[in-house]
Amino acid sequence: GQSLEQPSEVTAVEGAIVQINCTYQTSGFYGLSWYQQHDGGAPTFLSYNALDGLEETGRFSSFLSRSDSYGYLLLQELQMKDSASYFCAVRGGVGGKLIFGQGTELSVKP
Amino acid sequence: KAGVTQTPRYLIKTRGQQVTLSCSPISGHRSVSWYQQTPGQGLQFLFEYFSETQRNKGNFPGRFSGRQFSNSRSEMNVSTLELGDSALYLCASSVDREATEAFFGQGTRLTVV
Repeated sequence: GQSLEQPSEVTAVEGAIVQINCTYQTSGFYGLSWYQQHDGGAPTFLSYNALDGLEETGRFSSFLSRSDSYGYLLLQELQMKDSASYFCAVRGGVGGKLIFGQGTELSVKP
Repeated sequence: KAGVTQTPRYLIKTRGQQVTLSCSPISGHRSVSWYQQTPGQGLQFLFEYFSETQRNKGNFPGRFSGRQFSNSRSEMNVSTLELGDSALYLCASSVDREATEAFFGQGTRLTVV
């Protein structure tokens, strides 16, 4: 089957850099995605990696190593509004379904 | 372009009842997936529909079912509700089954009492 592991919570201060790691197990890997969800809101797409390496989108970057079944989301210049839950998700397995990790709750302190 | 619309937003049901939730995907999107979200459990995959056919199913009992119509709108049904079914049910739409990005609705908050 498919499974993903990520830390349950991370705390950082405003202006800092934080990295959220994700390891996964799946067959037939298509790609690794990251989603952000604020309290009471819908998850929103942040980034997608299908190939090894770093993808940068503004203050957010995402990295993938397929040989290690590992990825991370890097958030720079943290702002209070970045306080949210972050989910890694893998598309893979039979039929290419999108499976999510349990989420990492990021708290940004002043 | 309208986003993903889920109705109703909130529901309160009694144990043993059944419930139907609706999801209208973004126009042109043909893939719809459903997830159950409970505190500490992340998003648990329920099923995926594409072109009116169920393509994938998660590890949920047969009380959970769904369907997709020709206009890509989807419904999910839960019969014989249990207290543990209380959760936020999220629908996600994608252009197709291999799309890199999924768009989520605001969800339906189901409370079973």
